[in-house]
Amino acid sequence: GAVVSQHPSWVICKSGTSVKIECRSLDFQATTMFWYRQFPKQSLMLMATSNEGSKATYEQGVEKDKFLINHASLTLSTLTVTSAHPEDSSFYICSARVVASGRGDTQYFGPGTRLTVL
Amino acid sequence: GEDVEQSLFLSVREGDSSVINCTYTDSSSTYLYWYKQEPGAGLQLLTYIFSNMDMKQDQRLTVLLNKKDKHLSLRIADTQTGDSAIYFCAEALRRGNTPLVFGKGTRLSVIA
Repeated sequence: GAVVSQHPSWVICKSGTSVKIECRSLDFQATTMFWYRQFPKQSLMLMATSNEGSKATYEQGVEKDKFLINHASLTLSTLTVTSAHPEDSSFYICSARVVASGRGDTQYFGPGTRLTVL
Repeated sequence: GEDVEQSLFLSVREGDSSVINCTYTDSSSTYLYWYKQEPGAGLQLLTYIFSNMDMKQDQRLTVLLNKKDKHLSLRIADTQTGDSAIYFCAEALRRGNTPLVFGKGTRLSVIA
């Protein structure tokens, strides 16, 4: 199956700093990637849809100036949490859309990045 | 609007069968999926079913789809401790370029 990687797998930073998380599709090209946030013992919350070569589409309530998304190539999308605060601590997961014959519109997920802001 | 509902918890004994249920509201669903999330990890695609199918079996996994009732289930035969995880069902809508709609996940605990 399609493999999606994320880097880093975990990061601890001081309040006020910015953190960049990378999401890569390793063996396929992804014109569309998605960024999710997951709080402990809760479901996935879609933050934004990242489209290669165009601006990301943010979900209601997600600050686009706080969570910067760049999808500069067909295999890489980045999420930058700017001026991070403790309330931004969470598990961030990306996924890449694959449209394959016989299985429709499937999303493959990265392993996630745990962000802790002190 | 679209909505996917799942029960939050399920506990079974090792060796028994587990059945995880899911209901959805959007009749335009094309494909339905089951994902597994182990602690601290991303989501792993387990299996999927096309909306015009009733059943799909893949080794220990059986997916049943009742399109009339908009009900999807995942049966895990001979459940093992390694099956303990959160299971998410998700639907793909007919509209293009939209993300999958996920349920809140069912936490399966397997008791040895």
